[in-house]
This record gives sequence, structure tokens and C-alpha cells, in this order.
Amino acid sequence: GQNIDQPTEMTATEGAIVQINCTYQTSGFNGLFWYQQHAGEAPTFLSYNVLDGLEEKGRFSSFLSRSKGYSYLLLKELQMKDSASYLCAVLDSNYQLIWGAGTKLIIKP
Amino acid sequence: NAGVTQTPKFRVLKTGQSMTLLCAQDMNHEYMYWYRQDPGMGLRLIHYSVGEGTTAKGEVPDGYNVSRLKKQNFLLGLESAAPSQTSVYFCASSIPGEGATYNEQFFGPGTRLTVL
Repeated sequence: GQNIDQPTEMTATEGAIVQINCTYQTSGFNGLFWYQQHAGEAPTFLSYNVLDGLEEKGRFSSFLSRSKGYSYLLLKELQMKDSASYLCAVLDSNYQLIWGAGTKLIIKP
Repeated sequence: NAGVTQTPKFRVLKTGQSMTLLCAQDMNHEYMYWYRQDPGMGLRLIHYSVGEGTTAKGEVPDGYNVSRLKKQNFLLGLESAAPSQTSVYFCASSIPGEGATYNEQFFGPGTRLTVL
């Protein structure tokens, strides 16, 4: 079966750095997405990785290791507005997105 | 551009009632999707469409039907609602192909459905 694992909840302090991990086992791989979802709102796109390595976009970076079935999202200089759920999703061989359950990130002052 | 819109935003149904959720997109996307999101679970694909006039089953299609008569609209129907269908429903759209630009899914604001 297809499976995506990420921690249920994480807590971090404003101004700090946090890393959210995602491991996956899917039938085929055509890329990995990270989405942000604030409570009561729709998911919004953060990043996409299809090749191994680090993609940096402002305060957010995403890393992928295809051989290990592993990705992480790194958030730097945390702000209160970063409190949200972060969803990991893998595009499988049929170009369908398989979603993790999401990681709820709580930022404390 | 409005992006992806969904109507209604909220709905309460009694068991056995029927309803239709409407999704509309103005980005000329080929692909459209219906998901449900339940607490502690990832987004689960109900049905999807790869173009006007075509639909396909996703991971959890039972109890739902869909239609894509126009490219910009994707309708989700519940013929006989059950309490297990209480959920938040999201519609999304995308353009097929390789690379983030074409596979990124754009989401509507969601419909909160409660079945009593």
C-alpha cells in the first residue's frame, strides 16, 4: 500500500528554526509537495521537489532524498503566523497526489 | 481571477437527504478533484476528472457521484446522505504535466457538511 508518515504535532518558539519530516512509500514517484493549511482554510502550495537536494524559498526550505523516501520542510525565523498544519504529498506513478495526515505546528512566543 | 470557488460554504443535512456541491474554476485547468478531509486523516480523493465529460473514481468514491459537463465546473452529488459523510469537502484543480507549475493543485475554500 501507499503510505506517508509525518509527525502529528510539533511545538516551536517564535524566532527559532523547526524541521518537519516526511517519509513515504508510494507506487512510483513524480515529485513531493509541501502545502500549508491554516485552521479552517484551504491548503496552499509551499514547495515542490522532484530531484534530490535542497530547494530554498525565503524562510522556507524543502529537502528530498528519493533513495531514502524522505523529505523535510525547514522553517526559519519562525513567526506566529506560521502556526498552521503542514501537509506532505507525493505524486505517484498515476500522477495522483497521496497525502499525509499533516503536522500541526504550534508557535509559542 | 476568482481561482477556485465552492458553493455552498456550509450545509446541514438530515440522513437520507440529497445535495449537490458545486466547484468552479476560471484558470482553464484540465484536471479537477474532489477531496474530503477528516480530523487526523490526510486529504482523501473522492473522484477526479481529467477533462470535460470524463470522471474517474478516487480512493473513497462510495456514496458520491460527480459530473463534469463543462470544463470549468465539477459537481459532487450525495444521493442519500449518511452521518459518515460529515466532513470538509475541498475541490481542487490543476493542469497535467511534469514539473510543479503543471502539477500544483489549487484549492477552493471548502464546504463544511454536517449530516445529522
